[in-house]
Amino acid sequence: DIQMTQSPSTLSASVGDRVTITCRASQSISSWLAWYQQKPGKAPKLLIYEASKLERGVPSRFSGSGSGTEFTLTISSLQPDDFATYYCQQFDSYSLFGQGTKVEI
Amino acid sequence: QVQLQESGPGLVRPSETLSLTCAVSGYSINDGYYWGWIRQPPGKGLEWIGAIHYSGATYYNPYLRSRVTILVDTSKNQISLKLTSVTAADTAVYYCARSRGYCSDGSCYSGYFDFWGQGTLITVSS
Repeated sequence: DIQMTQSPSTLSASVGDRVTITCRASQSISSWLAWYQQKPGKAPKLLIYEASKLERGVPSRFSGSGSGTEFTLTISSLQPDDFATYYCQQFDSYSLFGQGTKVEI
Repeated sequence: QVQLQESGPGLVRPSETLSLTCAVSGYSINDGYYWGWIRQPPGKGLEWIGAIHYSGATYYNPYLRSRVTILVDTSKNQISLKLTSVTAADTAVYYCARSRGYCSDGSCYSGYFDFWGQGTLITVSS
């Protein structure tokens, strides 16, 4: 079974900071990884798919990179609207989400 | 704009079967894509339950496979989820979502989710 390890679980940051979240797979998943943003009481929102492709309508301050087993989501300059929980999802075989990273002030 | 709306009983007794439907509007299921279910226990992370292609091909979380059935009804443009023998651990917000699947090396996978419903809270309690 593929295991996903997302880190950190919580991240404290300020507006304007550069933020990086990491997701590691226990075996290669090529580029079959997506990133989501979730706010309290809301459904997740797709940000990045296939590791590095920006979903239409998502601000360009969000970017994704990586392939194989290590992936990162970067927010180049954190905005007030970006304080949320972020999840990675591998879909190489059956799907599996990471544990989530809460970005807080 | 694709819209999805989950509906269900709200409360299910332990050992019974949970049944949910997801009505899709703004897009015909017959036109393609995969359609899936994801759940989130209160205060916890996301768990992929499974997905179905409009052709009827299904993909299930191996840890839930023995209890899960996902069906598609193209005449009503909706999908459904049945989860048998529920326990308190199945208490969660259940989401349905559209999935962009792909095929590689002769196998197809349900992919990632681009449109989500608002979710419905299901509580398992006597």
